[in-house]
Amino acid sequence: AQRVTQPEKLLSVFKGAPVELKCNYSYSGSPELFWYVQYSRQRLQLLLRHISRESIKGFTADLNKGETSFHLKKPFAQEEDSAMYYCALMPGSGGSNYKLTFGKGTLLTVNP
Amino acid sequence: EAEVAQSPRYKITEKSQAVAFWCDPISGHATLYWYRQILGQGPELLVQFQDESVVDDSQLPKDRFSAERLKGVDSTLKIQPAELGDSAMYLCATTQGSNNEQFFGPGTRLTVL
Repeated sequence: AQRVTQPEKLLSVFKGAPVELKCNYSYSGSPELFWYVQYSRQRLQLLLRHISRESIKGFTADLNKGETSFHLKKPFAQEEDSAMYYCALMPGSGGSNYKLTFGKGTLLTVNP
Repeated sequence: EAEVAQSPRYKITEKSQAVAFWCDPISGHATLYWYRQILGQGPELLVQFQDESVVDDSQLPKDRFSAERLKGVDSTLKIQPAELGDSAMYLCATTQGSNNEQFFGPGTRLTVL
């Protein structure tokens, strides 16, 4: 069974401070990991995925298979980063079964 | 830009009544998902379709929930009878077969009284 754990329900930082949203997973194979974000009054949308190795809106996330983690980081938080962030896992076998397992989410608040 | 559409956006019903939700996917997206998101939790998969076929409905409470995608395009999710514990946000998401990004609809917020 696959599981995603986001230990922090709430995270509050000041503008310009570094931010790290934690995500740990449990899966026996090689998963694909994602971060989804939901801004206020907007729909859930993909922020980034580990296979792309991209930096989106200044955010990066590295898959650490040894620690089974996929933490989301940004060196300088902005007020517009305030949102709910969800870490999600998909079995690496893929095929036609693109099944996501989500964590419970972390609400990030960036204070001015 | 094409988006996933859902209706209604809000639904209030009494327990034991029947409710139905509708999802219109992005054109060409063969895979469609229904998720339930309880307040304070992440989305949980209820059912997954590939075209008109169910791929995974292992988490769908089949005694009261049903889902269909008859022509492989839009989909409906039905609950009959609704229970108090069904109060949640119901999300639809779609994806192209070869792309893992799921595109979400705005959701239907169900309140069962």
